[in-house]
Formats: sequence, C-alpha cells, structure tokens
Amino acid sequence: GAGVSQSPSNKVTEKGKDVELRCDPISGHTALYWYRQSLGQGLEFLIYFQGNSAPDKSGLPSDRFSAERTGGSVSTLTIQRTQQEDSAVYLCASSGRVVAYNEQFFGPGTRLTVL
Amino acid sequence: SQQGEEDPQALSIQEGENATMNCSYKTSINNLQWYRQNSGRGLVHLILIRSNEREKHSGRLRVTLDTSKKSSSLLITASRAADTASYFCATALIQGAQKLVFGQGTRLTINP
Repeated sequence: GAGVSQSPSNKVTEKGKDVELRCDPISGHTALYWYRQSLGQGLEFLIYFQGNSAPDKSGLPSDRFSAERTGGSVSTLTIQRTQQEDSAVYLCASSGRVVAYNEQFFGPGTRLTVL
Repeated sequence: SQQGEEDPQALSIQEGENATMNCSYKTSINNLQWYRQNSGRGLVHLILIRSNEREKHSGRLRVTLDTSKKSSSLLITASRAADTASYFCATALIQGAQKLVFGQGTRLTINP
C-alpha cells in the first residue's frame, strides 16, 4: 500500500474486554512504532520494533498491553481487560531506517473508547 | 517529564500573517523533527534538522535549532487557512535515536 494503514478506525468496547488493534506498515520499512495520544495531548511512546531485534517495550503502561509483529511486517497491539483510562487514539508509524534520521510515517490511528 | 515542550500551547492569527512556534528540550539530541496533525489523527512529517545544523527551509517553513539553548523554532510564513492544525516537535536522542519523544503540541488556528 501507499501508506501506513490501521484497523479498525474506531473501536468502542466495554470495560474489561480485550481489544486488538492492527497496523500495516509501509512495505519494506524495518521499523514500526506504536504511540498513544489522549485527547488534546502529545504522543506517548508505547513500543518499537526494529527488524528481528527484541522490541523496545519501555513505554508500555502496564502488563495489560502487549504487541507483536509477525514476519517483520504487520503488527498487532493487544490491550487486555480494558479500562476507561485506555481510551485514546492509538497511532502506528513506520520508518525505513535504523535510527530516526528519517521521518516516521504515521497511520490514521484507531480511536479506542472504553465505556 | 516531556523531553520536548512547545510554546505557545495555542496560537490564533489572521491569514497572511507569520506564525512562530517554539520547542524546548532537556537532553542532547541527534536530530529534531516537526510534525503536523490535522483533526487528531495521523501526523505528517514536515521537516528534520540535525544537531549540527542551525537553520533549514522547506517552502514556507523555516526551522531553527539552537543546541546551546536546547530550543528550536518553526516559522510558517504567509499563513493560510489550511495551515490550521496542531504542530509537534519530536526529538531523537543521541542514545536511543530510534524512537522520537514528542512534545504536547501547539494548536494553530488561522482565521480567514
């Protein structure tokens, strides 16, 4: 595809349910990032994948959050036992280089609402 | 605390005027990038300035970087209504340059 795609675009769930958010990066990009953005706030780094290296999970807020990247391409962010404070826009980005010399390309995001 | 902090938090100007946004950061950086976000969704990369650069231009955008003051500014000249958006600075640290640290953003409104 031409850009980073994310699905679903919107997700409404009940407190306590699990959700899965999907990211398709730009073909050939080796780096993939997940961010969270609460209403009117900046981006909060969650996790970073680079090739076959172990992911940088330092931004995950709790053990309810996990992510995987299969085959070095598609990534899934899973939130277990969702809480109302998990409500936010979850943004995925990919980049073609090891270090952040190059720009990150962002998807349109998934707006998660936990009732 | 946030590595990058934008100032002001919100800016409202008339179309045709210039808009200046500032970003301050705390630790040494590899590079600094500016992004634009429309309607709270995906971000679009505007410009990247490396730590050994002082000024960079791209169309109506001018970015400056002062590493001694740990600050950067984004100037948009001859603003247009379509420039209305949130603008974020993001820093790539020297150690761990693979990820960006974003500020809280400046909400820019261009009035026609």
